[in-house]
Order: sequence, then structure tokens, then C-alpha cells
Amino acid sequence: DAGVIQSPRHEVTEMGQEVTLRCKPISGHDYLFWYRQTMMRGLELLIYFNNNVPIDDSGMPEDRFSAKMPNASFSTLKIQPSEPRDSAVYFCASSRLAGAVGETQYFGPGTRLLVL
Amino acid sequence: QKEVEQNSGPLSVPEGAIASLNCTYSDRGSQSFFWYRQYSGKSPELIMFIYSNGDKEDGRFTAQLNKASQYVSLLIRDSQPSDSATYLCALDNYGQNFVFGPGTRLSVLP
Repeated sequence: DAGVIQSPRHEVTEMGQEVTLRCKPISGHDYLFWYRQTMMRGLELLIYFNNNVPIDDSGMPEDRFSAKMPNASFSTLKIQPSEPRDSAVYFCASSRLAGAVGETQYFGPGTRLLVL
Repeated sequence: QKEVEQNSGPLSVPEGAIASLNCTYSDRGSQSFFWYRQYSGKSPELIMFIYSNGDKEDGRFTAQLNKASQYVSLLIRDSQPSDSATYLCALDNYGQNFVFGPGTRLSVLP
């Protein structure tokens, strides 16, 4: 399997612009997670889906952030409008069964976002 | 909300020594615990998981779990410079998702 695929790998944009991050989970995985990682705050869970349905979006920082999962093989995280404080590495991860003993999450390579 | 605490480091050990990484957590209900390694500029990758009290060994890595004291640790024997990375402790959150600690940065000095 190709693993979790994310695009783009790097994104540089100007404040106020819309940013869309994309993720393709591992085939057969029912759970998809979006994380944000910064030096100051570490790895933060933004939102996760089970069978394409958002389960918990309490980590989404504000209304400027939105996420969708239209089908089992694709998800997007959108920031509109973007701000410099959104600069971070955004990871997508997937798993078969969240919380099952020993069932792990597999991370994509991440998208490095820089908002100027 | 469960909390996971780790010493941010950096933890420096000489090559060949044992590196000991510790993690404490707030919720006694946690069942499964995971150690991830993250190299600079890369994504986290799973090293080990443990769910029973005691030790679990995998090559040079040993995970230790003590649910009564609410801590989990990772020992790396014969540390190598290639082990230099940030180590993230994580636990399951009521079977729904993971809660990650802030990570401990390990530096193995040649």
C-alpha cells in the first residue's frame, strides 16, 4: 500500500487567501484524523472522521477551518481566510479501528503551510 | 479530557548507553499506549504499543507500563545516533482517538 497520501507537501500563501489541504487515507481504513503540529503547541487533533462522518471537531480552532470527507478515499481541510498564525505542519492519519488494542494510526508525510 | 505529560528534553545520552523516556497520564481508564518516533521534518511513526502492565520488548526497545502509577516508559538499549529524534507518547481516548504528549527530544551523542 502507498500509505497515507497528502498534497501539497508545501504551501506558501498570503494572509487572507484560501488554503485547501488534501488527504487520501490507506485503503480499508475507516478512521481519518487531521492534526496540526507546531513547536509551541505540539501535535493537536483538529477533527476526525469515522466512515466519512465527522465524529469530533472540537479541535478545530475557529470557523475559518472546515473539513470534509466526501468518500472513503478523500478528505480536505480548508482554511478560509488564512492567517499567519495558521502556519504549521498539517498531518493526516488513518486507522482501521480507533481504540482497538494495538490498532495504530498511520501518518501521512504532512503539509508544511506558511502563511505570509 | 485526558492529559499526557512528557519531559520535553532534550535528553542527551552517549552512544551505546540506555536512553530512558518517560510519560505520565491523567486518566486511569486508558487502555492502550503507544510510542511514536518523529525525525526532524518527518511524520510520526509507530515504534511500539503496550496495553498490559509490565515490560514489552522489541529488539533494542522496551516499553514499560505501570497502570497503578499511571506511567509508561520507553527504554532504548545500545543507543545509536540514528535514534536521535523526538519521541511521542500517546494513549487511546475511550476507543475513539489518540491523545498525544508533547514529545521528548532525544539526542544520542557519538
